[in-house]
Amino acid sequence: SQKIEQNSEALNIQEGKTATLTCNYTNYSPAYLQWYRQDPGRGPVFLLLIRENEKEKRKERLKVTFDTTLKQSLFHITASQPADSATYLCALLSYNTDKLIFGTGTRLQVFP
Amino acid sequence: GAGVSQSPSNKVTEKGKDVELRCDPISGHTALYWYRQRLGQGLEFLIYFQGNSAPDKSGLPSDRFSAERTGGSVSTLTIQRTQQEDSAVYLCASSLDGTRGRTDTQYFGPGTRLTVL
Repeated sequence: SQKIEQNSEALNIQEGKTATLTCNYTNYSPAYLQWYRQDPGRGPVFLLLIRENEKEKRKERLKVTFDTTLKQSLFHITASQPADSATYLCALLSYNTDKLIFGTGTRLQVFP
Repeated sequence: GAGVSQSPSNKVTEKGKDVELRCDPISGHTALYWYRQRLGQGLEFLIYFQGNSAPDKSGLPSDRFSAERTGGSVSTLTIQRTQQEDSAVYLCASSLDGTRGRTDTQYFGPGTRLTVL
């Protein structure tokens, strides 16, 4: 069966450290993968997109990697800040569908 | 410019009643999506409108759920004979062009929190 999995347990890290969140998928052939941030009571906000033929993408303190052999994407926030605390969702678009498929999200908590 | 708006922000209803949820997408966006998000869960795709094409209704969980998009803009999601398991946040998103192969970002509204008593 097709699955997108993110760690359901919250990730707690200290301010200044690098946060790494994982997105694993099975039985999909993704054309690209996106990462979104969601704050409580708000809709998700787009952060980064990485295509299947790209290994890494960066935007300011954010870095996303994409390994189609491992069927995994990693999302890194360097020099993390308490304001980075939120839930982070991965979503992929498969070649055989027009719809984004979302993971369940991982909650990140950055402590001062 | 204005983002995606949804109304109402909160809706409390009794089991068995019908509800209508509204979404105003970003002007000029041809694609519109509805998702459901249960507490602590990810986004569950419901329905997708793209331009004048027939909507993709493959995610609607039952025939109690329906949606319309009038004039290629505003959309209404209707849930008939609501059940307690319908309680969730209903999110709407729009994108510039949702056709296959595009990588347009989806812009989400704040959602409508539906509680069925």
